[in-house]
Amino acid sequence: RKEVEQDPGPFNVPEGATVAFNCTYSNSASQSFFWYRQDCRKEPKLLMSVYSSGNEDGRFTAQLNRASQYISLLIRDSKLSDSATYLCVVNPRGSSASKIIFGSGTRLSIRP
Amino acid sequence: GAVVSQHPSWVICKSGTSVKIECRSLDFQATTMFWYRQFPKQSLMLMATSNEGSKATYEQGVEKDKFLINHASLTLSTLTVTSAHPEDSSFYICSARRTGDNGNQPQHFGDGTRLSIL
Repeated sequence: RKEVEQDPGPFNVPEGATVAFNCTYSNSASQSFFWYRQDCRKEPKLLMSVYSSGNEDGRFTAQLNRASQYISLLIRDSKLSDSATYLCVVNPRGSSASKIIFGSGTRLSIRP
Repeated sequence: GAVVSQHPSWVICKSGTSVKIECRSLDFQATTMFWYRQFPKQSLMLMATSNEGSKATYEQGVEKDKFLINHASLTLSTLTVTSAHPEDSSFYICSARRTGDNGNQPQHFGDGTRLSIL
């Protein structure tokens, strides 16, 4: 089983739709969680951190379910510019030397 | 804040050439930096963890003599692809972790270097 798993997609949805991605992780002791977005041929960019109580940033909502070991990302009122690959990132240990684990990414395509 | 600069952004060179890529944290100190490689339509693969003042830690399957890492200061790590061959063509990305971060903060990525070996 992979340490971090994501549905690869692609998700193809119309502009204005709501779309949700899930990501599961295998290490129950994982400390911190993030969503990044990566555009084609570009570096990953932080979208948002994921907090235990859930957090929202504009049209984006992230949630963490420790009991079931998954995090989710909800995008409301999707825009054409939301088309990208969304990467789930997990830090298994809270130490300065610990390496983060990337999911394989979920591709999202928003159509007009 | 938290800007990471990577240079060069694009390299095209002949097979057998050695290529050096620099990763700099511009406005913070980074004891730990990470080097990733990404092939088309694939996820980022961690190659090695670069530690300031000590040897890098390589992931399984990554040849340390092929991919030389030097992290001589708190703001600079370099990756040298020695005697590069076409199969080394890829997108190389670095990230930096701010000194003092216990791992709970997000990493900051450089812009990436697209390496093409002819």
